Amino acid sequence: EAGVAQSPRYKIIEKRQSVAFWCNPISGHATLYWYQQILGQGPKLLIQFQNNGVVDDSQLPKDRFSAERLKGVDSTLKIQPAKLEDSAVYLCASSRLGDTQYFGPGTRLTVL
Amino acid sequence: SQKIEQNSEALNIQEGKTATLTCNYTNYSPAYLQWYRQDPGRGPVFLLLIRENEKEKRKERLKVTFDTTLKQSLFHITASQPADSATYLCALDPTSNTGKLIFGQGTTLQVKP
Repeated sequence: EAGVAQSPRYKIIEKRQSVAFWCNPISGHATLYWYQQILGQGPKLLIQFQNNGVVDDSQLPKDRFSAERLKGVDSTLKIQPAKLEDSAVYLCASSRLGDTQYFGPGTRLTVL
Repeated sequence: SQKIEQNSEALNIQEGKTATLTCNYTNYSPAYLQWYRQDPGRGPVFLLLIRENEKEKRKERLKVTFDTTLKQSLFHITASQPADSATYLCALDPTSNTGKLIFGQGTTLQVKP
């Protein structure tokens, strides 16, 4: 079974620029999560999708972050405009309903 | 306020010894608690889940305990090996089975040969 795929693996941008991350979950997993992990901290949930509907986005900074999951499969997370404090690893995870979460390798974002 | 805390200092132990990592939480009543392993440059990998009505759970050299009175989980690795060196994260679902996880900050374990 193929794991969760994410791209790109690394991204460096200037502040105020925009950036997008892509996630392809494990086939058959209806639930998809985006987490932000700042260096030295645990992952923080940004948004949770069930199929193509949003279950929880209470910690998503909606003035600059957006996410979509078209057709209930792949998902993109966008930041526009980026701030220095957005430097972090962005992790995507997927699961069957109520089951174990499987994480991708993450995208390391550096904002200069 | 709600918090989930792990030992922030790295844990250094000798190969063959038992490593014990602590996870404490306040103002949550989780139905279960999970432990993950994270290696540098990789996403977390699920290790074990323990439910509120379970005192202890084992998987090979791993053992997890869950004390809902103390609001604490302990994670043990027996006969530790250098390959066990990693960051270990505990996580809980504050809303009971919605899948939303709150993670601790993780404890880095270094096993020396």
